[in-house]
Amino acid sequence: ELKVEQNPLFLSMQEGKNYTIYCNYSTTSDRLYWYRQDPGKSLESLFVLLSNGAVKQEGRLMASLDTKARLSTLHITAAVHDLSATYFCAVDWLHYGGSQGNLIFGKGTKLSVKP
Amino acid sequence: DADVTQTPRNRITKTGKRIMLECSQTKGHDRMYWYRQDPGLGLRLIYYSFDVKDINKGEISDGYSVSRQAQAKFSLSLESAIPNQTALYFCATSEERPGQGLYEQYFGPGTRLTVT
Repeated sequence: ELKVEQNPLFLSMQEGKNYTIYCNYSTTSDRLYWYRQDPGKSLESLFVLLSNGAVKQEGRLMASLDTKARLSTLHITAAVHDLSATYFCAVDWLHYGGSQGNLIFGKGTKLSVKP
Repeated sequence: DADVTQTPRNRITKTGKRIMLECSQTKGHDRMYWYRQDPGLGLRLIYYSFDVKDINKGEISDGYSVSRQAQAKFSLSLESAIPNQTALYFCATSEERPGQGLYEQYFGPGTRLTVT
């Protein structure tokens, strides 16, 4: 069974602190996606990671992919309140006999940044 | 205007009723998807369609059916709604970035469905 596991599922941070969200997956895949969801809103694409060693950065968020370890990380630097949201990673289903382009999502990490 | 729209945005219905959720897109994408989101469970794929004539079951298709009326329209039906189908439903679209094997998905605003 293809699994995508995120941890932690809940994260309460203080502003200014650093933290990392982890995404482990059980298939061989070199395509991993990170999405953000604000409360009551839809999902917004943050990063697309296409190969082993890929690193993408946007503001205080940096995502990386290690395909050999089947691990992606989303690092938060000097957190601010505006980053409070739920973050999802998703893996392409291709290598589990599914169709390329179908994504399996993790359960999400609910991040709360407090002053 | 939004590229992916869903109607209705909120719906309350009774057990046993038939209900249809509609999704329209102006992105010109061939691929469309229906997901449901439950607290703590992330997003789970219900059905997906690669074109008008290609419709496939996802992880949790029981109790649901779909119709792809046109490239731009993909509807989800609950033939006889039950309370555990209470959830947030999202439609999404995607297409390949040429040469990259990459299918980034774009989500609609969601439909909050409550079955009483």
